Amino acid sequence: GDSVTQMEGPVTLSEEAFLTINCTYTATGYPSLFWYVQYPGEGLQLLLKATKADDKGSNKGFEATYRKETTSFHLEKGSVQVSDSAVYFCALKPDSGNTPLVFGKGTRLSVIA
Amino acid sequence: NAGVTQTPKFRVLKTGQSMTLLCAQDMNHEYMYWYRQDPGMGLRLIHYSVGEGTTAKGEVPDGYNVSRLKKQNFLLGLESAAPSQTSVYFCASSYSTGGPYGANVLTFGAGSRLTVL
Repeated sequence: GDSVTQMEGPVTLSEEAFLTINCTYTATGYPSLFWYVQYPGEGLQLLLKATKADDKGSNKGFEATYRKETTSFHLEKGSVQVSDSAVYFCALKPDSGNTPLVFGKGTRLSVIA
Repeated sequence: NAGVTQTPKFRVLKTGQSMTLLCAQDMNHEYMYWYRQDPGMGLRLIHYSVGEGTTAKGEVPDGYNVSRLKKQNFLLGLESAAPSQTSVYFCASSYSTGGPYGANVLTFGAGSRLTVL
């Protein structure tokens, strides 16, 4: 079945460092891809998404490009802040009908001042 | 605008007790979901619903039951709680099509932390 694999954490960075969180997927057809973020003590919220190959999703300085040739959707940010400390989840929506989203296991990011 | 509201936020149960978690959404979403979140396991789908009166099993449905009698509510029941059901439970909802952010963008509740002793 469809699946998502993301890099294990935790990831610890200094403020203003460059961030990459890797995400690769296995799916048939043309899934939609998402990054969700979970701040401490809260539920998940959508960070960005891409619905077709070569689309770039972006929000709050984060971006990710849907690469069908490498089945990847890596999350990047050029300069992280302490407020970006959270757990980041990569997810895909399978191409088939009502099938729910499939989530990766999450990557915890800690940014230190 | 409340979004997705889960009650209760915290609960402690003894093994064998039963309880129901309530999820309510005010966005007229067609789809609703229950997930559990455990350390190192990410989010795992328990049950979901694609419309009022419908439910379907997710990845880890055993030991749970659900009901969607009204479009805005999705109940998760534990008939006989076990320590393995200690977890944080998240409800989410989404449009089936359209919506301001597009189909299948989930709105999550703040979570319900359940401890089974």
